[in-house]
Amino acid sequence: GAGVSQSPSNKVTEKGKDVELRCDPISGHTALYWYRQSLGQGLEFLIYFQGNSAPDKSGLPSDRFSAERTGGSVSTLTIQRTQQEDSAVYLCASSLLQGYEAFFGQGTRLTVV
Amino acid sequence: GENVGLHLPTLSVQEGDNSIINCAYSNSASDYFIWYKQESGKGPQFIIDIRSNMDKRQGQRVTVLLNKTVKHLSLQIAATQPGDSAVYFCAASGGAAGNKLTFGGGTRVLVKP
Repeated sequence: GAGVSQSPSNKVTEKGKDVELRCDPISGHTALYWYRQSLGQGLEFLIYFQGNSAPDKSGLPSDRFSAERTGGSVSTLTIQRTQQEDSAVYLCASSLLQGYEAFFGQGTRLTVV
Repeated sequence: GENVGLHLPTLSVQEGDNSIINCAYSNSASDYFIWYKQESGKGPQFIIDIRSNMDKRQGQRVTVLLNKTVKHLSLQIAATQPGDSAVYFCAASGGAAGNKLTFGGGTRVLVKP
């Protein structure tokens, strides 16, 4: 596609429910990132995929968070048993290679009520 | 790990003046730096990048300066326009932090007419 696509753009869920957020990176990009951004704050690193290497999961805040990248393309971020503090915008980015500019999607705004 | 931060959370600039946004990083092994612009409700947008083998890089109306001695990065915007009003983030990668991009907290630039 022309850019990084994320879905849904908005998600409201009840506390305790599981949610899945999807990211379609730019075709051919080997690196994919997930970040979280709370209102008025900076970008908090969550997880990084690079080709077939083991993902860097060092930013995942708890074991309720997990992510997969199937076939080196689409990625899904899953949050289990959502809590109110999970409310944020979740941003996905991809880059052609490691150490190159990353292009961001528009994000998924998650609200846990 | 990498720690990237900004000196000024908010910068008010008169239209037509030059803007300077500063950023400090902690990991001397960082070798790739990016500036992003984020408008309300949108994902970060790439502005300009620089690698550690350079100390200056120019784009259209923007210049990035890198001082590796003091681990400092700055973004200069010439003739600031109302459309430049946004939050600006610096990011770094490389070294012990690996290839993931680590972001600073952001500076909000407000352009006054």
